[in-house]
Amino acid sequence: DTGVSQNPRHKITKRGQNVTFRCDPISEHNRLYWYRQTLGQGPEFLTYFQNEAQLEKSRLLSDRFSAERPKGSFSTLEIQRTEQGDSAMYLCATERVADTQYFGPGTRLTVL
Amino acid sequence: GEDVEQSLFLSVREGDSSVINCTYTDSSSTYLYWYKQEPGAGLQLLTYIFSNMDMKQDQRLTVLLNKKDKHLSLRIADTQTGDSAIYFCAEVRNQGGKLIFGQGTELSVKP
Repeated sequence: DTGVSQNPRHKITKRGQNVTFRCDPISEHNRLYWYRQTLGQGPEFLTYFQNEAQLEKSRLLSDRFSAERPKGSFSTLEIQRTEQGDSAMYLCATERVADTQYFGPGTRLTVL
Repeated sequence: GEDVEQSLFLSVREGDSSVINCTYTDSSSTYLYWYKQEPGAGLQLLTYIFSNMDMKQDQRLTVLLNKKDKHLSLRIADTQTGDSAIYFCAEVRNQGGKLIFGQGTELSVKP
Protein backbone atom coordinates (compact mmCIF):
# COMPACT_ATOMS: atom_id res chain seq x y z
CA ASP A 1 0.00 0.00 0.00
CA THR A 2 1.63 3.23 -1.19
CA GLY A 3 -0.76 5.52 0.67
CA VAL A 4 -2.47 6.68 -2.55
CA SER A 5 -6.09 5.53 -2.70
CA GLN A 6 -8.48 5.37 -5.64
CA ASN A 7 -12.20 4.79 -5.75
CA PRO A 8 -13.98 2.91 -7.05
CA ARG A 9 -11.63 0.03 -7.82
CA HIS A 10 -13.91 -1.25 -10.56
CA LYS A 11 -16.60 0.46 -12.61
CA ILE A 12 -18.84 -1.10 -15.23
CA THR A 13 -20.96 1.28 -17.22
CA LYS A 14 -22.98 1.41 -20.40
CA ARG A 15 -21.83 3.35 -23.38
CA GLY A 16 -22.99 6.96 -23.23
CA GLN A 17 -23.05 7.19 -19.43
CA ASN A 18 -20.86 9.53 -17.40
CA VAL A 19 -18.42 8.20 -14.83
CA THR A 20 -16.29 9.87 -12.15
CA PHE A 21 -13.22 8.50 -10.40
CA ARG A 22 -11.54 9.82 -7.29
CA CYS A 23 -7.92 9.84 -6.16
CA ASP A 24 -6.74 10.66 -2.63
CA PRO A 25 -3.03 11.45 -2.50
CA ILE A 26 -0.43 11.04 0.20
CA SER A 27 -1.05 14.13 2.32
CA GLU A 28 2.18 16.07 1.76
CA HIS A 29 2.31 15.36 -1.98
CA ASN A 30 1.52 18.47 -3.96
CA ARG A 31 1.73 16.96 -7.46
CA LEU A 32 -0.94 14.57 -8.72
CA TYR A 33 -0.90 12.73 -12.04
CA TRP A 34 -3.50 10.74 -13.99
CA TYR A 35 -2.47 7.96 -16.37
CA ARG A 36 -4.42 5.50 -18.49
CA GLN A 37 -3.29 1.92 -19.09
CA THR A 38 -4.80 -0.38 -21.68
CA LEU A 39 -4.21 -4.12 -21.82
CA GLY A 40 -0.65 -5.04 -22.72
CA GLN A 41 0.60 -1.47 -22.68
CA GLY A 42 2.45 0.77 -20.29
CA PRO A 43 0.64 3.65 -18.62
CA GLU A 44 0.14 6.78 -20.72
CA PHE A 45 0.10 10.25 -19.22
CA LEU A 46 -3.22 12.11 -19.24
CA THR A 47 -2.82 15.20 -17.04
CA TYR A 48 -1.25 16.53 -13.86
CA PHE A 49 -1.81 19.08 -11.13
CA GLN A 50 0.51 21.00 -8.90
CA ASN A 51 -1.63 21.88 -5.90
CA GLU A 52 -4.95 22.96 -7.48
CA ALA A 53 -3.49 24.12 -10.80
CA GLN A 54 -3.77 21.81 -13.82
CA LEU A 55 -0.39 22.32 -15.50
CA GLU A 56 -0.40 19.93 -18.44
CA LYS A 57 -2.92 17.92 -20.46
CA SER A 58 -2.11 15.20 -22.98
CA ARG A 59 -3.56 15.07 -26.48
CA LEU A 60 -5.16 11.82 -25.25
CA LEU A 61 -7.45 13.88 -23.02
CA SER A 62 -10.40 14.56 -25.30
CA ASP A 63 -13.13 17.08 -24.57
CA ARG A 64 -15.13 14.33 -22.89
CA PHE A 65 -12.53 14.09 -20.13
CA SER A 66 -12.21 16.59 -17.33
CA ALA A 67 -10.09 16.53 -14.19
CA GLU A 68 -10.22 18.70 -11.12
CA ARG A 69 -8.31 19.14 -7.89
CA PRO A 70 -10.33 21.86 -6.19
CA LYS A 71 -8.49 22.21 -2.89
CA GLY A 72 -5.16 20.81 -3.89
CA SER A 73 -5.83 17.52 -2.12
CA PHE A 74 -8.06 14.85 -3.72
CA SER A 75 -8.69 14.84 -7.46
CA THR A 76 -11.53 13.63 -9.65
CA LEU A 77 -11.45 12.46 -13.26
CA GLU A 78 -14.76 12.54 -15.11
CA ILE A 79 -15.50 10.94 -18.45
CA GLN A 80 -18.68 12.08 -20.16
CA ARG A 81 -20.57 10.03 -22.76
CA THR A 82 -18.32 7.02 -22.31
CA GLU A 83 -17.24 4.99 -25.34
CA GLN A 84 -16.02 1.41 -25.50
CA GLY A 85 -12.54 2.72 -26.28
CA ASP A 86 -12.46 4.33 -22.84
CA SER A 87 -12.24 0.89 -21.22
CA ALA A 88 -8.90 0.85 -19.41
CA MET A 89 -7.23 1.06 -16.03
CA TYR A 90 -7.04 4.65 -14.78
CA LEU A 91 -4.08 5.20 -12.51
CA CYS A 92 -3.36 8.08 -10.17
CA ALA A 93 0.15 8.89 -8.94
CA THR A 94 1.35 11.54 -6.51
CA GLU A 95 4.69 13.06 -5.54
CA ARG A 96 6.34 15.86 -3.69
CA VAL A 97 7.85 18.15 -6.31
CA ALA A 98 11.05 16.68 -7.82
CA ASP A 99 10.60 13.40 -5.98
CA THR A 100 9.37 9.98 -7.10
CA GLN A 101 5.80 9.15 -8.10
CA TYR A 102 3.79 6.70 -6.04
CA PHE A 103 0.86 5.00 -7.68
CA GLY A 104 -2.57 4.09 -6.40
CA PRO A 105 -4.19 0.70 -7.13
CA GLY A 106 -6.11 2.08 -10.11
CA THR A 107 -9.74 2.12 -11.21
CA ARG A 108 -10.62 -0.43 -13.86
CA LEU A 109 -13.32 0.90 -16.20
CA THR A 110 -15.34 -1.38 -18.44
CA VAL A 111 -17.69 0.25 -20.93
CA LEU A 112 -20.31 -2.13 -22.34
CA GLY B 1 5.37 4.57 -24.85
CA GLU B 2 6.82 5.03 -28.28
CA ASP B 3 10.05 6.50 -26.95
CA VAL B 4 10.89 3.75 -24.48
CA GLU B 5 11.29 0.15 -25.62
CA GLN B 6 11.47 -3.14 -23.76
CA SER B 7 11.38 -6.77 -24.77
CA LEU B 8 7.97 -8.23 -23.99
CA PHE B 9 8.76 -11.51 -22.25
CA LEU B 10 11.47 -13.10 -20.12
CA SER B 11 11.41 -16.56 -18.58
CA VAL B 12 13.91 -17.71 -15.95
CA ARG B 13 14.27 -20.50 -13.41
CA GLU B 14 13.97 -19.85 -9.70
CA GLY B 15 17.36 -18.96 -8.24
CA ASP B 16 18.79 -17.67 -11.52
CA SER B 17 19.46 -14.01 -12.25
CA SER B 18 17.05 -12.05 -14.44
CA VAL B 19 18.12 -9.17 -16.63
CA ILE B 20 15.45 -6.88 -18.05
CA ASN B 21 16.54 -4.39 -20.67
CA CYS B 22 15.20 -1.02 -21.75
CA THR B 23 16.21 1.55 -24.34
CA TYR B 24 15.13 5.16 -24.38
CA THR B 25 15.62 7.91 -26.91
CA ASP B 26 15.74 11.23 -25.07
CA SER B 27 19.21 12.18 -23.91
CA SER B 28 17.73 14.89 -21.69
CA SER B 29 16.12 12.31 -19.41
CA THR B 30 16.96 13.12 -15.82
CA TYR B 31 15.69 10.14 -13.87
CA LEU B 32 14.99 6.59 -15.00
CA TYR B 33 12.73 4.30 -13.03
CA TRP B 34 11.79 0.66 -12.68
CA TYR B 35 8.26 -0.20 -11.58
CA LYS B 36 6.71 -3.62 -10.93
CA GLN B 37 3.07 -4.45 -11.62
CA GLU B 38 1.34 -7.59 -10.41
CA PRO B 39 -1.94 -8.73 -12.03
CA GLY B 40 -4.81 -6.32 -11.42
CA ALA B 41 -2.69 -4.04 -9.25
CA GLY B 42 -1.13 -0.60 -9.46
CA LEU B 43 2.55 0.07 -10.00
CA GLN B 44 5.09 -0.49 -7.26
CA LEU B 45 8.26 1.60 -7.39
CA LEU B 46 11.28 -0.70 -7.30
CA THR B 47 14.21 1.61 -7.82
CA TYR B 48 15.44 4.57 -9.81
CA ILE B 49 18.70 6.02 -11.07
CA PHE B 50 19.75 9.55 -11.76
CA SER B 51 21.13 10.15 -15.22
CA ASN B 52 24.62 11.07 -14.00
CA MET B 53 25.07 7.65 -12.38
CA ASP B 54 26.01 4.46 -14.15
CA MET B 55 25.10 1.91 -11.51
CA LYS B 56 22.90 1.56 -8.47
CA GLN B 57 22.52 -1.48 -6.22
CA ASP B 58 19.68 -2.09 -3.81
CA GLN B 59 19.63 -5.53 -2.18
CA ARG B 60 18.83 -8.04 -4.98
CA LEU B 61 18.37 -5.29 -7.55
CA THR B 62 21.14 -3.78 -9.69
CA VAL B 63 20.46 -1.01 -12.18
CA LEU B 64 22.96 -0.29 -14.93
CA LEU B 65 22.77 2.82 -17.09
CA ASN B 66 24.70 3.30 -20.32
CA LYS B 67 23.93 6.88 -21.18
CA LYS B 68 25.91 6.83 -24.42
CA ASP B 69 23.75 3.99 -25.80
CA LYS B 70 20.62 5.13 -23.90
CA HIS B 71 20.35 1.65 -22.43
CA LEU B 72 19.03 0.78 -18.98
CA SER B 73 18.93 -2.65 -17.38
CA LEU B 74 17.53 -4.16 -14.21
CA ARG B 75 19.20 -7.25 -12.80
CA ILE B 76 17.35 -9.29 -10.19
CA ALA B 77 19.63 -11.69 -8.35
CA ASP B 78 18.32 -15.02 -7.00
CA THR B 79 14.97 -14.61 -8.75
CA GLN B 80 11.99 -15.96 -6.81
CA THR B 81 8.51 -17.01 -7.96
CA GLY B 82 7.19 -13.91 -6.18
CA ASP B 83 9.16 -11.80 -8.66
CA SER B 84 6.82 -12.93 -11.46
CA ALA B 85 5.17 -9.72 -12.69
CA ILE B 86 5.38 -7.09 -15.41
CA TYR B 87 8.32 -4.71 -15.11
CA PHE B 88 8.18 -1.21 -16.60
CA CYS B 89 11.00 1.17 -17.19
CA ALA B 90 10.10 4.85 -17.33
CA GLU B 91 11.89 8.11 -17.93
CA VAL B 92 11.32 11.63 -16.70
CA ARG B 93 12.59 14.34 -18.99
CA ASN B 94 12.00 17.30 -16.71
CA GLN B 95 12.47 17.33 -12.98
CA GLY B 96 9.27 16.05 -11.40
CA GLY B 97 7.47 15.78 -14.73
CA LYS B 98 5.36 13.13 -16.35
CA LEU B 99 6.65 9.59 -16.71
CA ILE B 100 7.10 8.04 -20.15
CA PHE B 101 6.74 4.27 -19.87
CA GLY B 102 7.86 1.34 -21.94
CA GLN B 103 5.46 -1.44 -22.86
CA GLY B 104 6.57 -3.62 -20.00
CA THR B 105 8.45 -6.91 -19.75
CA GLU B 106 6.53 -9.87 -18.41
CA LEU B 107 8.84 -11.91 -16.18
CA SER B 108 7.90 -15.53 -15.61
CA VAL B 109 9.80 -17.43 -12.93
CA LYS B 110 9.61 -21.21 -13.11
CA PRO B 111 10.23 -23.37 -10.04
